[in-house]
Amino acid sequence: EAGVVQSPRYKIIEKKQPVAFWCNPISGHNTLYWYLQNLGQGPELLIRYENEEAVDDSQLPKDRFSAERLKGVDSTLKIQPAELGDSAVYLCASSLLEGEQFFGPGTRLTVL
Amino acid sequence: AQSVSQHNHHVILSEAASLELGCNYSYGGTVNLFWYVQYPGQHLQLLLKYFSGDPLVKGIKGFEAEFIKSKFSFNLRKPSVQWSDTAEYFCAVNARGAAGNKLTFGGGTRVLVKP
Repeated sequence: EAGVVQSPRYKIIEKKQPVAFWCNPISGHNTLYWYLQNLGQGPELLIRYENEEAVDDSQLPKDRFSAERLKGVDSTLKIQPAELGDSAVYLCASSLLEGEQFFGPGTRLTVL
Repeated sequence: AQSVSQHNHHVILSEAASLELGCNYSYGGTVNLFWYVQYPGQHLQLLLKYFSGDPLVKGIKGFEAEFIKSKFSFNLRKPSVQWSDTAEYFCAVNARGAAGNKLTFGGGTRVLVKP
């Protein structure tokens, strides 16, 4: 069974540029999560989807971050414009509604 | 809101030594508890979990954890570590019954096992 797929694995951009991350969850998992992981810290939830509905986006900085999960399968997280402080690892995870969360490898973003 | 505290940021030990990583959470209600591990260059994966029942939980690779409700703790243990246990370990909590399957993670503990 394929795991959670994320791309790209690494991204280097200059500040004020836009960036997008893509996630394909495990087949059949209706719940998808985006987490932010700063260096030396644990992951922090940005947004959680149940199917195509964002049911918890309270931690998403909506002035510059946006996300979508069209058709309730794969998802895109966007930052526009990126700031230096956005440098981090962006993790995607998926689960059945109340089940174990399975994590992808993450996208390491560096903003110069 | 729930929070999770991991006491040690870094642990260095030799092979065959015993390992214990502390985890405390703050939440007044019923919780599900997890330990995740991240090996170098790999993604987060579940080591073990506690939902209910026997408070001593056994996971993969010889790890176990004990839930002590009165202490709000869920410490991870392994009697004899191997070099391959070098990794970062994260404790996580999910408030049961709260809206959605939301994990709150601790800050992680980096474990280095010297051969």
